[in-house]
Amino acid sequence: NAGVTQTPKFRVLKTGQSMTLLCAQDMNHEYMYWYRQDPGMGLRLIHYSVGEGTTAKGEVPDGYNVSRLKKQNFLLGLESAAPSQTSVYFCASRVAGLGVTGELFFGEGSRLTVL
Amino acid sequence: GENVEQHPSTLSVQEGDSAVIKCTYSDSASNYFPWYKQELGKRPQLIIDIRSNVGEKKDQRIAVTLNKTAKHFSLHITETQPEDSAVYFCAASREGDYKLSFGAGTTVTVRA
Repeated sequence: NAGVTQTPKFRVLKTGQSMTLLCAQDMNHEYMYWYRQDPGMGLRLIHYSVGEGTTAKGEVPDGYNVSRLKKQNFLLGLESAAPSQTSVYFCASRVAGLGVTGELFFGEGSRLTVL
Repeated sequence: GENVEQHPSTLSVQEGDSAVIKCTYSDSASNYFPWYKQELGKRPQLIIDIRSNVGEKKDQRIAVTLNKTAKHFSLHITETQPEDSAVYFCAASREGDYKLSFGAGTTVTVRA
């Protein structure tokens, strides 16, 4: 049982390049999330999904796109990377059916640098 | 939407002393308040949570208190140890909302 796995762990991009971060969970969780973590700003929600085929915007969605084609996978895409997207990205998932509660299980994080 | 403010941003304590982190929230409908701990280079992990129908919850050396009237909640760590050094995040959510709103985090350093 691997939990939540993110790939890649590290990536350096040039401005304008595109890339996709993959999040995979093996816990059969319905809800999945992408956060970015920047110093002094905590964890900010980019996009989330409450089920296969559904996505929704979070606090800071601009410049990112997501897809949830399979229940276990949640992809985060950067179409044209900008230096402001340099950050550590965390994927998280949790089980549905517990109302507002329910522990978020995080991946190990992906450090992205945009030059 | 919900706005969670967390103070202080950094906290240095002597080993064995207590540490207190405070958070305030804006949405009076919020009813779930978890705390996550992130050790250096690691992923955030849930350490304790509280619902709005209780005022305090304890788990060994950590406790969380909630004041719904004032819309603030706090994390208390007693008898701090070196392994308590980490970044702590508070969060808030309300029924019907799928997402958590996180505070900016508090970096706790326990001095030996």
